[in-house]
Amino acid sequence: SQELEQSPQSLIVQEGKNLTINCTSSKTLYGLYWYKQKYGEGLIFLMMLQKGGEEKSHEKITAKLDEKKQQSSLHITASQPSHAGIYLCGAETTSTDKLIFGTGTRLQVFP
Amino acid sequence: SAVISQKPSRDICQRGTSLTIQCQVDSQVTMMFWYRQQPGQSLTLIATANQGSEATYESGFVIDKFPISRPNLTFSTLTVSNMSPEDSSIYLCSVAPWTDTNEKLFFGSGTQLSVL
Repeated sequence: SQELEQSPQSLIVQEGKNLTINCTSSKTLYGLYWYKQKYGEGLIFLMMLQKGGEEKSHEKITAKLDEKKQQSSLHITASQPSHAGIYLCGAETTSTDKLIFGTGTRLQVFP
Repeated sequence: SAVISQKPSRDICQRGTSLTIQCQVDSQVTMMFWYRQQPGQSLTLIATANQGSEATYESGFVIDKFPISRPNLTFSTLTVSNMSPEDSSIYLCSVAPWTDTNEKLFFGSGTQLSVL
């Protein structure tokens, strides 16, 4: 079965610093989804990547999918306390609508 | 996007009891999913709630422990039966959108369950 490994598990950065979160799949990704979860809340959709080499940006967050479609990275530029939360990558399985999720990265941003 | 209401938002239960979580969507959807998020962990899919047929459970989850109902295209319930402290988790309902969108799944705000 497909597995998603995220690194790092947790991250504590000072406000204004850049950071990167990685998501590595054991199999080729058919669709890769990034979500953010505020502590104890539901998930907020950030971005979806599908094509090898694809890159998308929204405000200060950029996500990339490598050419082999087995690794994705999420980069936050000039982090702010509002970026704090748990970042989850989700992978589309081949034949259904369900997603499997990575191990998660807990981000804390201090002033 | 879909509006998903989950009830209750949180509960504290005694071991051995059962809790039913409700998930209401503001539009008809084909696919509904139930996820569990144990403390400090990622999301694990429990089952797919199919309208008009039995739910499809993932490995490690069984119907006796997590019975699911899906009486129509806008509503589903998940019951956590005979609870133990290990069932303390956030339970999330999610739906696949019915329109063409990049967002694969919409999520409810979750039910935070603590079992004493």
